[in-house]
Amino acid sequence: DQQVKQNSPSLSVQEGRISILNCDYTNSMFDYFLWYKKYPAEGPTFLISISSIKDKNEDGRFTVFLNKSAKHLSLHIVPSQPGDSAVYFCAASANFGNEKLTFGTGTRLTIIP
Amino acid sequence: NAGVMQNPRHLVRRRGQEARLRCSPMKGHSHVYWYRQLPEEGLKFMVYLQKENIIDESGMPKERFSAEFPKEGPSILRIQQVVRGDSAAYFCASSPRMDPGNEQFFGPGTRLTVL
Repeated sequence: DQQVKQNSPSLSVQEGRISILNCDYTNSMFDYFLWYKKYPAEGPTFLISISSIKDKNEDGRFTVFLNKSAKHLSLHIVPSQPGDSAVYFCAASANFGNEKLTFGTGTRLTIIP
Repeated sequence: NAGVMQNPRHLVRRRGQEARLRCSPMKGHSHVYWYRQLPEEGLKFMVYLQKENIIDESGMPKERFSAEFPKEGPSILRIQQVVRGDSAAYFCASSPRMDPGNEQFFGPGTRLTVL
């Protein structure tokens, strides 16, 4: 039972353009959502998070949007840079982040110079 | 402030041996989580611990796996009598306290290979 889904295994975007990564969830108890970036042979690096009481959170080039009614969130990266090439994981938690994370299967983002 | 430390980074074991994975959380963090990533999959939760307490072990296999986070020292994930299917990357994460909006910060992982 995959409670957090990232339906695009891979995405290629031209440098300077916007990258949009999508994530869907099924568990209504989730109230805190996070995006992590992962390079090969390294641990996930926290990027940005959003609580269910918000519908948008922005941090520099990264913006996360949450649509609770659709149980959908997205990560926007603009402008995309070559260093953004990595695997991006969406994760969800209940109790506002004070419980285990449930991860999606990841989207491999490739930025084309 | 050093990040989450894990050792060893790579561990090779033969079937039937024991594997011990260590995790030192970030300074000031009292919550530790262990996750496992099988090849070509996302990370799967295993266990959540606070000092001297297991809070949630719903993701731990019922046999051969155990975890502890003693009052002093690192958290340990122990796998007894390893099998080939235990080969994976094991990640530890830590977070500071039970306030809303806590991010979990991950270590570099231990890559276990069972021959």
